[in-house]
Amino acid sequence: ETGVTQSPTHLIKTRGQQVTLRCSSQSGHNTVSWYQQALGQGPQFIFQYYREEENGRGNFPPRFSGLQFPNYSSELNVNALELDDSALYLCASGEAGAQETQYFGPGTRLLVL
Amino acid sequence: RKEVEQDPGPFNVPEGATVAFNCTYSNSASQSFFWYRQDCRKEPKLLMSVYSSGNEDGRFTAQLNRASQYISLLIRDSKLSDSATYLCVVKRGNNDMRFGAGTRLTVKP
Repeated sequence: ETGVTQSPTHLIKTRGQQVTLRCSSQSGHNTVSWYQQALGQGPQFIFQYYREEENGRGNFPPRFSGLQFPNYSSELNVNALELDDSALYLCASGEAGAQETQYFGPGTRLLVL
Repeated sequence: RKEVEQDPGPFNVPEGATVAFNCTYSNSASQSFFWYRQDCRKEPKLLMSVYSSGNEDGRFTAQLNRASQYISLLIRDSKLSDSATYLCVVKRGNNDMRFGAGTRLTVKP
């Protein structure tokens, strides 16, 4: 196991609601990244946090926001949920550096009705 | 055009077969390369990094051609447990990792 944990495991929301997903990074890791994985697709990069600041962002609208805390845990917040936000949301932690890879948590399955 | 392109498969092979997956990437500034495997309804897990000189890990061999922006993964002597989706990943310098859509492999008895 990677040591990266996420909560909750599953979540059902309705369109227009807001959701907060949580991630606890592996010990010793200082970056946390969030990905959205739709069915049959690869993970899509949402953003990364390093030293509690956003350190890169993919092609996602501002209603996707995040936080990283001093203990390297992290939150992903999504406002004004849309049906297309239904997906597996993955958190990955790693160490800053071009050659370093990332290790994923088990993900949170979000269903928007 | 997607930044990372993979043959989606599926590849259905018998046990013991050799199978190769290909991947191309469009961003020449990509710095690091990886193969992940993802089992059904599970998170992606690192299979191996890919180095310019090529590298091998047991039955798995990865190759990188920077000039052609092409990455490959070769699996020899396929096992039933190799059945999974294989994700090609390229990483930019700012830790931004871009995934392909994955190639699905099924190894049959």
